[in-house]
Amino acid sequence: GESVGLHLPTLSVQEGDNSIINCAYSNSASDYFIWYKQESGKGPQFIIDIRSNMDKRQGQRVTVLLNKTVKHLSLQIAATQPGDSAVYFCAETTNTGNQFYFGTGTSLTVIP
Amino acid sequence: DTEVTQTPKHLVMGMTNKKSLKCEQHMGHRAMYWYKQKAKKPPELMFVYSYEKLSINESVPSRFSPECPNSSLLNLHLHALQPEDSALYLCASSPVQSSYEQYFGPGTRLTVT
Repeated sequence: GESVGLHLPTLSVQEGDNSIINCAYSNSASDYFIWYKQESGKGPQFIIDIRSNMDKRQGQRVTVLLNKTVKHLSLQIAATQPGDSAVYFCAETTNTGNQFYFGTGTSLTVIP
Repeated sequence: DTEVTQTPKHLVMGMTNKKSLKCEQHMGHRAMYWYKQKAKKPPELMFVYSYEKLSINESVPSRFSPECPNSSLLNLHLHALQPEDSALYLCASSPVQSSYEQYFGPGTRLTVT
């Protein structure tokens, strides 16, 4: 099936800096793009989503950007904290929910 | 209650054993999912149940048999597994299948010996 991939498998940032995690997708028919955070020993946790007809969406300390021209998705985390250390997955799905794919994942490490 | 629970947390089984994984949610969600996750890999969708009916089977081998007894429970029956089936098995739920936000349980760490 279609795949969602990430550019960088690991990312280390200093506490307080901003983090940017990237994702490339290939299914132009996807309707929603979602970011999940998975901490060690836990299941993925929903962070934020963006619909395909939007370019940007902001949450609490997080912003997701969607560039449909180059099929690129990014997650920006402001003032990164140690609790942000986790693996971040992008995912894509359709309106019908008949497809749901996770990307490769980026491991974020926050250095105190 | 916004939690998806899974039991057991850990399971070790031989290749000739039969075991079951259990998942429960009390959020009134009508879609439930099984995923398989290998170490350092993303979750891979196995099955989707919508309103207690199997909606998606991602070509999963028959040694994995899902069951949805009611809207709150989801089981995964395991039989004659292979060592390569060792993984973290995640259950998730969402209000309906078309909902993009899924709620995940902590998973069952399965080891097949």
